[in-house]
This record gives sequence, structure tokens and C-alpha cells, in this order.
Amino acid sequence: DVKVTQSSRYLVKRTGEKVFLECVQDMDHENMFWYRQDPGLGLRLIYFSYDVKMKEKGDIPEGYSVSREKKERFSLILESASTNQTSMYLCASSLPTEAFFGQGTRLTVV
Amino acid sequence: AQRVTQPEKLLSVFKGAPVELKCNYSYSGSPELFWYVQYSRQRLQLLLRHISRESIKGFTADLNKGETSFHLKKPFAQEEDSAMYYCAPPNDYKLSFGAGTTVTVRA
Repeated sequence: DVKVTQSSRYLVKRTGEKVFLECVQDMDHENMFWYRQDPGLGLRLIYFSYDVKMKEKGDIPEGYSVSREKKERFSLILESASTNQTSMYLCASSLPTEAFFGQGTRLTVV
Repeated sequence: AQRVTQPEKLLSVFKGAPVELKCNYSYSGSPELFWYVQYSRQRLQLLLRHISRESIKGFTADLNKGETSFHLKKPFAQEEDSAMYYCAPPNDYKLSFGAGTTVTVRA
């Protein structure tokens, strides 16, 4: 069974804090993704990576950065958290035929 | 870029009624499209893929190249079909989803 694991289910952070969301997959997938999921807006792609140390901007990268030092781990970084980054964050890894998702991290910025 | 559009954000149907979720795509070539589903408190997961031409949980999706559509259909909706559904284009390493459709099946 493919597993994509996000380090936290719930996080509460203060405005201005640096926030790290971690994602690990155990199936040696090359492609990994970070999304945020908001009511009425669906699933929006923040960043993706198709190889170690490779990253590309998705549709809404502003305010975020990512790191992929190892194939199995893809980290999302909020350099200075703001209240409009309160959201559900989903990580995924994929084959061409299917994407596999983590359980999500609900981040609240206060 | 390969894009899909889901025009309906919300869809409410009665149990036993047919349900159809719309998805349109906007690129050329031979598309390999997907439908994903997220049930309450569960992970987003693959429901079905075009290339498999399969029926999953009573759902089917037909590719219509003339209309550039890949609508998801089920003839008789069940309460357990209440979920969020996403249409997705081929995974050309940038995997962008449609905006999603929330389906509520009422008893």
C-alpha cells in the first residue's frame, strides 16, 4: 500500500511565524505536490517537484516555498505565516496513472 | 497547459435519482482523464480513470472528444455518494485539478 504521510493533522501558528509542513512518501515516486484546499475554491496547486532538488511553481505559489532534499520528502514552507494562509494543505505523490494523497494538515494562523 | 473545468460547485440530488458531474477539458491530443473523490474525513483518492473504461461504485465516465467533456455519471445515486469530486487531466508532472463539485445525496 502506498503511503503518503503528513507530519501533522492540525497546526496552529501565529502571524509572522515560519511554518514547515512535512510530507513523506514510501513508494519511490518522482513526482510530489503540495495543494491547499478551501471551500468553494477546490484544490489549488502550490508547488510541485519532479525530482530531488527540482521544484516548480504551481498556480498559487506566492507566500510559499518548498524543499526537496531527498526523494521521499517534500516540505512546504510558509516564510511568514499570514491569516489568509489558514487552510487545509494536502500533499501528494504520483505515478502517471494515479496520485496518492496524504491525510491533510489543517493549518490555522492566528 | 492542460486544464479541466468543473462548472458546478454544488450538486444536490435525491437518493435513487441519476447524478451527472460535468468536466470539460481544454487541450488537444488524446487525453487520459481521471476522477478523484474525497469522502468526509477520508483522503482524496482515485475513483476512476478514462483509460480503464471501468465502472467503479456504479459510476462511469465517457470521454466525448467532440464536446471535450469527461462527465461522471451514476444512474441511481446513493447517500454514500455524498462527497467532493474532482476531475483531473493527465499527469504531465504538473497535476492541476478542477475546482471540484460537492455532491449531496438526500434521502
